[in-house]
Amino acid sequence: SAVISQKPSRDICQRGTSLTIQCQVDSQVTMMFWYRQQPGQSLTLIATANQGSEATYESGFVIDKFPISRPNLTFSTLTVSNMSPEDSSIYLCSVDNPRRYNEQFFGPGTRLTVL
Amino acid sequence: RKEVEQDPGPFNVPEGATVAFNCTYSNSASQSFFWYRQDCRKEPKLLMSVYSSGNEDGRFTAQLNRASQYISLLIRDSKLSDSATYLCAVNMREYGNKLVFGAGTILRVKS
Repeated sequence: SAVISQKPSRDICQRGTSLTIQCQVDSQVTMMFWYRQQPGQSLTLIATANQGSEATYESGFVIDKFPISRPNLTFSTLTVSNMSPEDSSIYLCSVDNPRRYNEQFFGPGTRLTVL
Repeated sequence: RKEVEQDPGPFNVPEGATVAFNCTYSNSASQSFFWYRQDCRKEPKLLMSVYSSGNEDGRFTAQLNRASQYISLLIRDSKLSDSATYLCAVNMREYGNKLVFGAGTILRVKS
């Protein structure tokens, strides 16, 4: 499986600021995804990061709040903008497995706390 | 009704026991199914993929019942190290490569 890294691994931020999370993969992948996992809950897909075009956002998530970049096939960023305590969560990127249909592998996650 | 629902747990079982979790899904057009394992404060790790009727890997067996729209995960001879949260994920073709996750089932294996 692909080796996926995320930066930062954790951060504590002040209300109203923004944080950009990076996701790096050691091989080229077609699909990259961003998920949120709030305490004690399951994963919710925020958006699909498309290389060369705008991200595709899920219901309840908007580009102004969660801008995403995907400059190439191995890298993506997610920005959490104008943060509030409700944004405290774990943010995970995942990538598809080109050899097995619909399989996804996850990065280690970024644990965000907003004060 | 949620798109993917799981037994909430927690399941508390002794070492050596056999335990089974169920996961029901609402969309009959779902194509592929996955079980992930998530340890505390870690990312989900893929445990098994199910594309047809089922899959088996050592002590773990996943079975798909399309008629009743559920998949199950059976763990035999439970180990202490099996303690984790097990997440079911379902792909729905009309949503491209999107996976929808269940809320997870907590398993605690005790000595």
